Amino acid sequence: QKEVEQNSGPLSVPEGAIASLNCTYSDRVSQSFFWYRQYSGKSPELIMSIYSNGDKEDGRFTAQLNKASQYVSLLIRDSQPSDSATYLCAVYASNYQLIWGAGTKLIIKP
Amino acid sequence: SQTIHQWPATLVQPVGSPLSLECTVEGTSNPNLYWYRQAAGRGLQLLFYSVGIGQISSEVPQNLSASRPQDRQFILSSKKLLLSDSGFYLCAWSVGTGDNEQFFGPGTRLTVL
Repeated sequence: QKEVEQNSGPLSVPEGAIASLNCTYSDRVSQSFFWYRQYSGKSPELIMSIYSNGDKEDGRFTAQLNKASQYVSLLIRDSQPSDSATYLCAVYASNYQLIWGAGTKLIIKP
Repeated sequence: SQTIHQWPATLVQPVGSPLSLECTVEGTSNPNLYWYRQAAGRGLQLLFYSVGIGQISSEVPQNLSASRPQDRQFILSSKKLLLSDSGFYLCAWSVGTGDNEQFFGPGTRLTVL
């Protein structure tokens, strides 16, 4: 069964520091990877998508993909209290479906 | 730009009552549409997806059903709700062959009493 694993947290990071969120996946042939942010009581919103090995940067966010290790991560630089949320990792499986991790709760402490 | 709507935002229903949740997408044609459920503190569970009008794929056997009567309309229904149907129901859309990003509506929080 295809799986996506995330540490549930909570991950506590001081304001201004780098938050590092990690995700591993089981399906070696996966080609599309996504990070979503979900505030409490709200729906998930897309932060980053990544399809190739290496780093992809967008503002304070950097997604890192290592297909050999089946590992994808999200780095948040200069963490702000507004970054406190649950971060969901999703991997494309097949047949129009994404496989979702259970999410990591991130807390940014002022 | 694309917009996705869901209603109602909140719903409290008794056990055994029917359910109808609606989702509409604006600003795109022939989207792939998805219904997810998220239990409190849990991940997303895919319930149904649709790649076109009248085409529904079910991922989890249950007392729920879905329909797609129009290109940008997706409906989730139940004839008789169970306590276990409580949760946060999310509609999402994507384009292409399914390996692209999915975008979510605001969700419906359903409580079955």
